[in-house]
This record gives sequence, structure tokens and C-alpha cells, in this order.
Amino acid sequence: GQQLNQSPQSMFIQEGEDVSMNCTSSSIFNTWLWYKQEPGEGPVLLIALYKAGELTSNGRLTAQFGITRKDSFLNISASIPSDVGIYFCAGPTSGTYKYIFGTGTRLKVLA
Amino acid sequence: DAGVIQSPRHEVTEMGQEVTLRCKPISGHDYLFWYRQTMMRGLELLIYFNNNVPIDDSGMPEDRFSAKMPNASFSTLKIQPSEPRDSAVYFCASSFSTLAGGPRTDTQYFGPGTRLTVL
Repeated sequence: GQQLNQSPQSMFIQEGEDVSMNCTSSSIFNTWLWYKQEPGEGPVLLIALYKAGELTSNGRLTAQFGITRKDSFLNISASIPSDVGIYFCAGPTSGTYKYIFGTGTRLKVLA
Repeated sequence: DAGVIQSPRHEVTEMGQEVTLRCKPISGHDYLFWYRQTMMRGLELLIYFNNNVPIDDSGMPEDRFSAKMPNASFSTLKIQPSEPRDSAVYFCASSFSTLAGGPRTDTQYFGPGTRLTVL
């Protein structure tokens, strides 16, 4: 079945640094979603991408829909301590409304 | 406006007991999703409803799991009998339809989850 692999698995960075993470699939996706999950909470949608090549920003976050439609990227600029959490990519499986989630990237920001 | 509400937030039970998890979606949302999150398997979709009707339950792990949505404002996920491997965080999420009939991908709101521990 379709799977979403995220890298890196975890990151430790200094406050102020920029962060890049990606999500890859063996099959094509028509929508890419990026979520953030904080401890004890459910995932919260950060950015939604609907078209190959699309670049969308939400504050310090920028995400891109890869032109092959098999990958997506999330960048966080000038990280701050509250960026800590697990970042997931997600997308609907082909021809359905069932969403699958990536393996997650755990981000820790050192002040 | 209140978000998705789940109860209980934490549940500890013994193997073999029945467990019922509850969810109240956001008012006006007509899609409801149940997910399970574990370290080993990540976040998995179990079942989803549209207008209170189960649409796809292929993610439900086995017959011990059942889900119902008796009305637009309430859903339950039941495990009977529970087993230690069912220990996980269970999330409920809701969204509303697009004009094309599917859920709006940018409006899937998750609840805070129920952490289930089966001893």
C-alpha cells in the first residue's frame, strides 16, 4: 500500500536556525498536508498543498508540493522554542478520502 | 466555538474489559474520522463516517473493534474485549464537505485524543 516516509526522523537545532524536512512516497499524491503535533494534543494542520510545484507559506513555515507529485518539503525559518513538536505529512490515498500519515519528524529546539 | 471533544482523556483498563471512547465533532461537520496512534505504526485511520453512515472501515484492526455514529453530534469507538496491544492514543477528527462531496482537506480538525492503556 501507499506509504509516506519522512526524513529526518528527528532534529535537534539551535533557536534561530532554519529547518528543512521532507516527505516521500512511492506513489503519486494529489494533495499534501503538513501537520504539527504537540505533546498531549492532536495534530494541527499547518499547510495544505493542492498542485504540483505549489509553494505555500504560513508565517515562518513554507511548504512545497514536489513536481513529481511523490514528495513534499517543509521549511521553518528562524526557529523558536515553540516550534518543538512532531511534524507529519499526510495525504489522501488514491481515489479515496482516506488519509495516510507519514512517519513524522520530531523537532527539538535548544534555546 | 468548541473544537472536537473526546472523552475520556485517559483510560486504564484490564485485559478483557470493554472500552468505549466517545467523540463529539464540531457542529456542522459531516465527516468524522477515528484514528489510532502508536509508536510502532504511527497514525492510522480506523474508520470514517459521512452523514452518520460508515463509509470505510477497512482500517479497523479486527472484530473486537466497532464504531457507531447514532447522530451528527456523537460517535463511539468500542473495543470488546480489550487486549494490551490495543494500548494507544485514539483520535477523533471531523471536517465538512466540499461541493464535490468529499471532506475539505484543509478543515480536518483533530480532538485531543484518548490515551488508552490496557493492562
